[in-house]
Amino acid sequence: KQEVTQIPAALSVPEGENLVLNCSFTDSAIYNLQWFRQDPGKGLTSLLLIQSSQREQTSGRLNASLDKSSGRSTLYIAASQPGDSATYLCAVGDMNTGFQKLVFGTGTRLLVSP
Amino acid sequence: DGGITQSPKYLFRKEGQNVTLSCEQNLNHDAMYWYRQDPGQGLRLIYYSQIVNDFQKGDIAEGYSVSREKKESFPLTVTSAQKNPTAFYLCASSWGGEQFFGPGTRLTVL
Repeated sequence: KQEVTQIPAALSVPEGENLVLNCSFTDSAIYNLQWFRQDPGKGLTSLLLIQSSQREQTSGRLNASLDKSSGRSTLYIAASQPGDSATYLCAVGDMNTGFQKLVFGTGTRLLVSP
Repeated sequence: DGGITQSPKYLFRKEGQNVTLSCEQNLNHDAMYWYRQDPGQGLRLIYYSQIVNDFQKGDIAEGYSVSREKKESFPLTVTSAQKNPTAFYLCASSWGGEQFFGPGTRLTVL
């Protein structure tokens, strides 16, 4: 059974710092990996989607990498801003279920202080 | 504007009542999903539908029911059989392997 872990559970940094959020998964048979952002009491906003054949994806100050063989993905946020404060969720697309099922981690809660 | 809408935003249910949560999308996506989110836990899949008039149970379907009569709509009913329904419910749709989420409904049992 696929399990997704995100470390750390919470992170507090000063504005302007570059930071890395980690995601690990137990089964490398995935078809994609998606990073989301969730603000308190809100739905999820898709940030980046990495297909299993890709190594990384970039969008603005965000860069996500994927290493299937080691079961890891990282989300790099450059020059962090207070508006980046949110919970970041990682989800892997599981190939073993026969349909597009996402398995979620429990998230990293990020606080960027001015 | 294309997107996913969920209503109501907040819902209060008395013990023994069934309630229905609405999910509508105008993205023309075939697949739709319902998730439940509890504090300290990842999202868990309740039901999913890959096409109109077809749906399948997810990991925690007990006490829930769905219908998919139209491509745009995927309502979720929380029945009185669901022992602990207080949670944040999220609807999603997908295209090209990417899932998109609605704003959520917070259900509280009184």
